[in-house]
Amino acid sequence: DAKTTQPTSMDCAEGRAANLPCNHSTISGNEYVYWYRQIHSQGPQYIIHGLKNNETNEMASLIITEDRKSSTLILPHATLRDTAVYYCIAPPLTFGTGTRLQVTL
Amino acid sequence: DTAVSQTPKYLVTQMGNDKSIKCEQNLGHDTMYWYKQDSKKFLKIMFSYNNKELIINETVPNRFSPKSPDKAHLNLHINSLELGDSAVYFCASSRPGGANTGELFFGEGSRLTVL
Repeated sequence: DAKTTQPTSMDCAEGRAANLPCNHSTISGNEYVYWYRQIHSQGPQYIIHGLKNNETNEMASLIITEDRKSSTLILPHATLRDTAVYYCIAPPLTFGTGTRLQVTL
Repeated sequence: DTAVSQTPKYLVTQMGNDKSIKCEQNLGHDTMYWYKQDSKKFLKIMFSYNNKELIINETVPNRFSPKSPDKAHLNLHINSLELGDSAVYFCASSRPGGANTGELFFGEGSRLTVL
């Protein structure tokens, strides 16, 4: 089971890209990396997931390194509504404390 | 229609009491979970059920007992409540997927305060 580590907090200017890193050096070959975010005290919301290839959806892009030991979530044009705690997870599904992203004017 | 709903949203009770939190999902998922988020915002899995069968049981005091009457419901009963049980409890569901759990859908949380 993989353990993930993320920076505690990050700031990003509105309109700029937010790049959130995650280390998951112990991830197994068949374990997916998932990203969620939690706005204030709401339930976490799914963003994106991946195994080996880079992924993109309407919310974000996910870049996974070739060795799969780390990944980066990219919010291409951050808005104030993207201010949240972002979690990178892999099995055993514990979210940890995530990265608190503050988007500012 | 709410996909994953929890009741109650807020619960204030005295130490030593027994309380339950209910969770229902209308997504047709086979797997349901309970998570605990403490005051430091650490979100930790407690239990997981797949089609009414317990599949994940993390190190949780046996005062916590999950019950799944059917695959759409997973309730959490807590006996002899302690101050340290104060937290926000989140229910979630997903399609089964083995090593790939699939997207988790979370409820809005139940904030438990033990006085």
